[in-house]
Amino acid sequence: EDQVTQSPEALRLQEGESSSLNCSYTVSGLRGLFWYRQDPGKGPEFLFTLYSAGEEKEKERLKATLTKKESFLHITAPKPEDSATYLCAVRGNSGGSNYKLTFGKGTLLTVNP
Amino acid sequence: SAVISQKPSRDICQRGTSLTIQCQVDSQVTMMFWYRQQPGQSLTLIATANQGSEATYESGFVIDKFPISRPNLTFSTLTVSNMSPEDSSIYLCSVRGYQETQYFGPGTRLLVL
Repeated sequence: EDQVTQSPEALRLQEGESSSLNCSYTVSGLRGLFWYRQDPGKGPEFLFTLYSAGEEKEKERLKATLTKKESFLHITAPKPEDSATYLCAVRGNSGGSNYKLTFGKGTLLTVNP
Repeated sequence: SAVISQKPSRDICQRGTSLTIQCQVDSQVTMMFWYRQQPGQSLTLIATANQGSEATYESGFVIDKFPISRPNLTFSTLTVSNMSPEDSSIYLCSVRGYQETQYFGPGTRLLVL
């Protein structure tokens, strides 16, 4: 069974203070690792998909990296508008036509001005 | 990415009643999914809804409790039947996009009294 563990559960940063969020996973054949951002009262907003170890993707102040066991979401010089819950999910090679994503519980990021 | 809408956005229901949630997509998609996000828990896949065939349910979810319809390639409904307070949750639909990525709707916030 695929598993995803995110840490820390909550992270409070000052504006401009860079940090990283961690996503550890176990999966039978990784088909994709996904990062989403979720604001209060809204659905998850897609950020990145990573497919293989060593892959990196960037978007504005966010950079996602992937190893065989974990992924990091690096946040450089965050701003208050980056405050949100960041979700990590994996899709494994469980076979069949099941496109199930297995999610972690998320990291609640708060960026203070 | 597809634009996804859900109705209702929120509702308060009495135990023993049923609620049908609608999911509308602005383009034709082959695969739609229904997830549940309970307080403090991970997003969990309820079922995969395919047009023209029966929905595929994940372990722990049954058709009698969560019947799903998929009448065409842009629309699906999820019914939460015979509700109890434990069904209080956010219900989200998603669609499969490019490669393995899934895009989510805004969610339906359900409170059962």
